[in-house]
Amino acid sequence: GAGVSQSPSNKVTEKGKDVELRCDPISGHTALYWYRQRLGQGLEFLIYFQGNSAPDKSGLPSDRFSAERTGESVSTLTIQRTQQEDSAVYLCASSLAGQVGNEQFFGPGTRLTVL
Amino acid sequence: AQSVSQHNHHVILSEAASLELGCNYSYGGTVNLFWYVQYPGQHLQLLLKYFSGDPLVKGIKGFEAEFIKSKFSFNLRKPSVQWSDTAEYFCAVIRTGTYKYIFGTGTRLKVLA
Repeated sequence: GAGVSQSPSNKVTEKGKDVELRCDPISGHTALYWYRQRLGQGLEFLIYFQGNSAPDKSGLPSDRFSAERTGESVSTLTIQRTQQEDSAVYLCASSLAGQVGNEQFFGPGTRLTVL
Repeated sequence: AQSVSQHNHHVILSEAASLELGCNYSYGGTVNLFWYVQYPGQHLQLLLKYFSGDPLVKGIKGFEAEFIKSKFSFNLRKPSVQWSDTAEYFCAVIRTGTYKYIFGTGTRLKVLA
């Protein structure tokens, strides 16, 4: 019974480079969320997937951020032309369905550092 | 804007002391409420949740939280903390019928043995 996994666990990149973060949700979980957590701040909602559809992309900070999901499986969050303010922990969570109240299961996060 | 406030950013307690962590939210209408915990080196995990019914909710490891609608609050309590409760605690709120969870900034609890 694997939980939510994310890779890489740590990523250091230079300003201006593109990065791709991966999330493997729990098998059978149709809902998938991406969050960003900056140092000393709460979890900031980025995007929500129901299956491979993203009904709400409003949390994406800019057009440099994009995400996709293959079926009800892996999701990738891509940040183009990274900036120093993108440095944060990026968390992925999955749940059984995108309905209110279903427990979200979180991955360990990817710590992104942009130099 | 919708928000969740956790007023205590850092709390230090001795073992056996009582704990209360505050959580207030700014929504009107029906909400569902959660407390998540992140132990050192571990993932965020659900501690307890409130949907409806009895406003006093019991969770794992002896934690409980009380939903007070008139105060827009969902405070977390534990009568006697243990060293193993050292962790970061996050309150989260979601408006009924939506899927966007709003998290507070978290409270770091340190329990001294």
